[in-house]
Amino acid sequence: GAGVSQSPSNKVTEKGKDVELRCDPISGHTALYWYRQRLGQGLEFLIYFQGNSAPDKSGLPSDRFSAERTGESVSTLTIQRTQQEDSAVYLCASSLATRQGLMNTEAFFGQGTRLTVV
Amino acid sequence: TQLLEQSPQFLSIQEGENLTVYCNSSSVFSSLQWYRQEPGEGPVLLVTVVTGGEVKKLKRLTFQFGDARKDSSLHITAAQTGDTGLYLCAGGGNAGNMLTFGGGTRLMVKP
Repeated sequence: GAGVSQSPSNKVTEKGKDVELRCDPISGHTALYWYRQRLGQGLEFLIYFQGNSAPDKSGLPSDRFSAERTGESVSTLTIQRTQQEDSAVYLCASSLATRQGLMNTEAFFGQGTRLTVV
Repeated sequence: TQLLEQSPQFLSIQEGENLTVYCNSSSVFSSLQWYRQEPGEGPVLLVTVVTGGEVKKLKRLTFQFGDARKDSSLHITAAQTGDTGLYLCAGGGNAGNMLTFGGGTRLMVKP
């Protein structure tokens, strides 16, 4: 596609339910990021995928959060047993591969999934 | 602890005023990017700086990369209401080649 696509754009779920958020990166982009953004706040890093390397999961806030990516394609972020504090916009971004010592290329963001836990 | 600290976190000014936003780190980055995010949208890249001391201008916006490549600033001249948004800096070439974002500066320009 032309840009990073995220679905659904909005999700309202009941506390305790599991949710799955999807990100379709730009074709050819090997790097993929997930961020959480609470209302009026900045970006909170969650997880980073780079090609076939082991993902950097250091930002995941608890074991209720997990993410997968198959190769250089779609990624899914799963939140189990959702809590009200999980309510936020979840942003996905992708960029071209980078190598040590080279300038990082632009990160292209999707429009996000707004998750509301009631 | 965030690798990149942005200041101020919030800024509210009148149209026509000048402002400067700062992005500081104790780490060296090979590149520094600035993004702007408008309500309901994802962040969009404004500029990338890669050389220590580099200055780039984008209309009324002036971006500077520190000589030691640890800090950057964004200066806006004669702010307009359309400049309202969240400004994010992001460092590259560190932390496993991952882009590291600062916490952002939320700018409100009042008419």
